[in-house]
Amino acid sequence: NAGVTQTPKFQVLKTGQSMTLQCAQDMNHNSMYWYRQDPGMGLRLIYYSASEGTTDKGEVPNGYNVSRLNKREFSLRLESAAPSQTSVYFCAMRTGGADTQYFGPGTRLTVL
Amino acid sequence: QQQVKQSPQSLIVQKGGISIINCAYENTAFDYFPWYQQFPGKGPALLIAIRPDVSEKKEGRFTISFNKSAKQFSLHIMDSQPGDSATYFCAASTAGRRALTFGSGTRLQVQP
Repeated sequence: NAGVTQTPKFQVLKTGQSMTLQCAQDMNHNSMYWYRQDPGMGLRLIYYSASEGTTDKGEVPNGYNVSRLNKREFSLRLESAAPSQTSVYFCAMRTGGADTQYFGPGTRLTVL
Repeated sequence: QQQVKQSPQSLIVQKGGISIINCAYENTAFDYFPWYQQFPGKGPALLIAIRPDVSEKKEGRFTISFNKSAKQFSLHIMDSQPGDSATYFCAASTAGRRALTFGSGTRLQVQP
């Protein structure tokens, strides 16, 4: 997980609350991703950002918003959390032209 | 629609044995096939990857076998060790944004 930090590590929310998951990288990667991991389903793409100021929906974007204000940071926002959003969230990054994605340590979110 | 199917869900192997995990894909536009290793509480880490222009790639005890006509690829772990006990994910991506489509994961347990 070198080079990618995610905050917080753990979070418990009540239904309807909002929060922002933060991801920051220090390796000058252009592309950044948000995935969620649920038991038995692998990881699924929520949103993708190719560069500062650009974002694109992934497979499961409903209920989420993202922001890429600069090259280092890519945040994921839950405006009104639902129990179905209980999951582990991973941020990943990739250098343009390369194929490999590097993942952060994850944020474990529980929505009651 | 699950575009990458992974089996088995779980696998128990004796120390020194061979672990084999299989994946099948549907999207012929996939052109990059990585395997990730994940330990509990950690993010996925790239283990080994292959492109469809080669049928096999070996790195140490880990080998990917790739069958383009059958749209299948597999991970072989030779001389399996207790330290290999983890969850393994196959994945695939297409050119462009390189978002990963993951298999559902295989939990490997290597018994001493």
